[in-house]
Amino acid sequence: KQEVTQIPAALSVPEGENLVLNCSFTDSAIYNLQWFRQDPGKGLTSLLLIQSSQREQTSGRLNASLDKSSGRSTLYIAASQPGDSATYLCAVRTSGSRLTFGEGTQLTVNP
Amino acid sequence: ETGVTQSPTHLIKTRGQQVTLRCSSQSGHNTVSWYQQALGQGPQFIFQYYREEENGRGNFPPRFSGLQFPNYSSELNVNALELDDSALYLCASSWGRDGSTDTQYFGPGTRLTVL
Repeated sequence: KQEVTQIPAALSVPEGENLVLNCSFTDSAIYNLQWFRQDPGKGLTSLLLIQSSQREQTSGRLNASLDKSSGRSTLYIAASQPGDSATYLCAVRTSGSRLTFGEGTQLTVNP
Repeated sequence: ETGVTQSPTHLIKTRGQQVTLRCSSQSGHNTVSWYQQALGQGPQFIFQYYREEENGRGNFPPRFSGLQFPNYSSELNVNALELDDSALYLCASSWGRDGSTDTQYFGPGTRLTVL
């Protein structure tokens, strides 16, 4: 059974700091890994999707890496801003149709 | 291109009642997935529909059921509501059966409270 863990559960940083969010998964037989952002009480916004054959993806100030063999992914956020405050969720897709999510990292960026 | 929409936004029910939640897929998408997200948790997969047929189910009891219509919109039905069913219910649409390469696009969710 696939299990996804995210560390840390919560993170508070001053504006402008670079930061790294971590995600680990137990079954390396994945199709892809996706990072999402969720604002309080809202739905999920897809940030980056990394196929199993890829090592990283970049979008603006965000960079996600994937090491499938070790079951790890990181989301790097450069020059953090207060608007980045949200919960960040990591999800993996294995065989079949489902995404398996971690419990998220709650990020607060202080002005 | 319209995004994924869900209705209603909020819903309050009592134990034992039945509820129907609705989802309209993003234009061009033929696959819809439903997830339950309890407070402070990550979303849990309920089931997926592809071209009107169930295409995978998570660890949820049979009182959770669904439908997908020819226009690819979908319903989630929950019978005999329990207090633990209180959660945010998320719908996601995508294109393709196995989803090995696609991105799932999520709706804003329906907040269900069971009293």
